[in-house]
Amino acid sequence: QSALTQPRSVSGSPGQSVTISCTGTSSDVGDYNYVSWYQQHPGKAPKLMISDVSKRPSGVPDRFSGSKSGNTASLTISGLQAEDEADYYCCSYAGSYTLFGGGTKLTVL
Amino acid sequence: EVQLVESGGGLVQPGGSLRLSCAASGFTFSSYWMNWVRQTPGKGLVWVSRISNDGSSTSYADSVKGRFTISRDNAKNTLYLQMNSLRAEDTAVYYCARRGTTPDYWGQGTLVTVSS
Repeated sequence: QSALTQPRSVSGSPGQSVTISCTGTSSDVGDYNYVSWYQQHPGKAPKLMISDVSKRPSGVPDRFSGSKSGNTASLTISGLQAEDEADYYCCSYAGSYTLFGGGTKLTVL
Repeated sequence: EVQLVESGGGLVQPGGSLRLSCAASGFTFSSYWMNWVRQTPGKGLVWVSRISNDGSSTSYADSVKGRFTISRDNAKNTLYLQMNSLRAEDTAVYYCARRGTTPDYWGQGTLVTVSS
């Protein structure tokens, strides 16, 4: 049960796009289409941004998109806005357990 | 509106026990699998445990297996986490989260501090 691998930090200027990767194995990310992404602002609970690899829950801006190729999932945020600055976590269901990534701090320059 | 409210956190000595509760409202609690997820202050999210909608199936992270027990009372719309043999490394904010495959709604968390 090792954590999924995410970059520790990414950054971008307002209006730009950034992509955060999430690498797992053939037992988790590669085996299930239950990859999700969460946004967490300081002192707040995580908020679901993407479910089932690429589905956006109601109310999440379409600037947020998800994808998966093999054992790696990705979250892309286009048209960066100041309020997007937060920590982002990927998550993969793996049958008898669930894994989270270590988190990526997004800085909007 | 879906609401999850955790309670029961606090300061406990190493080796001690604590029971967390998560009161659910705004949805049909008995229809959903539920999770506990924890977050060490300043660190990332770690999945702890999951329980089926009827309580018949449970699973645990290796780090808590044999020490923690997840349960639920569907009549009271409440999820529980019994934590025994607590260690310093169990210090964290504990969140309950709805839905088994993809936690969608989360509570605000309750802080557990294990220290002498």
